[in-house]
Amino acid sequence: GAGVSQSPSNKVTEKGKDVELRCDPISGHTALYWYRQSLGQGLEFLIYFQGNSAPDKSGLPSDRFSAERTGGSVSTLTIQRTQQEDSAVYLCASRTGGNTGELFFGEGSRLTVL
Amino acid sequence: AQRVTQPEKLLSVFKGAPVELKCNYSYSGSPELFWYVQYSRQRLQLLLRHISRESIKGFTADLNKGETSFHLKKPFAQEEDSAMYYCALSPRETSGSRLTFGEGTQLTVNP
Repeated sequence: GAGVSQSPSNKVTEKGKDVELRCDPISGHTALYWYRQSLGQGLEFLIYFQGNSAPDKSGLPSDRFSAERTGGSVSTLTIQRTQQEDSAVYLCASRTGGNTGELFFGEGSRLTVL
Repeated sequence: AQRVTQPEKLLSVFKGAPVELKCNYSYSGSPELFWYVQYSRQRLQLLLRHISRESIKGFTADLNKGETSFHLKKPFAQEEDSAMYYCALSPRETSGSRLTFGEGTQLTVNP
């Protein structure tokens, strides 16, 4: 596709439910990142994929959070037993392999936990 | 560890005035520094990177290793510059790693 695509754009769920957020990166981009954007918190790094492996998952806030990437393309971020503090915009970004390359962001998935 | 600090959460200037958005970083190695911008109802996008030494939309940023800063400057602000600005750092020597962002500065340019 033309850019990074994320779905759903908006998700409202009840506390305790599981949610899945999907990211479809730009074709050919080997590196994929998940960030969380909260008011007053900036952009919080969650996890980074190079191909299908995750060399850095140190930003995942708890074991309720997990992510996978298949076929070097689509990634899914799963949050189990959601809590109200999980409410945020979850951003996905991709880039080609180097450290100086531009990060291309999706529009984000806004999660609201009631 | 790498850390990026943007001391101003909010910055307000008048059109035509100079603007400087501050960014300080902490990293023991050799960093790559970036500025990203998010305009209202748009996705986050790259504004400029220090390695390119370019001026985008009239903005420039110089890496000062002595002061560990990468402040973003524009001599004459325009209303369309109103946006959220994020400074970010990536380690140069590590192949493939996280981009660490600051907390962001919301810039408002008043008419």
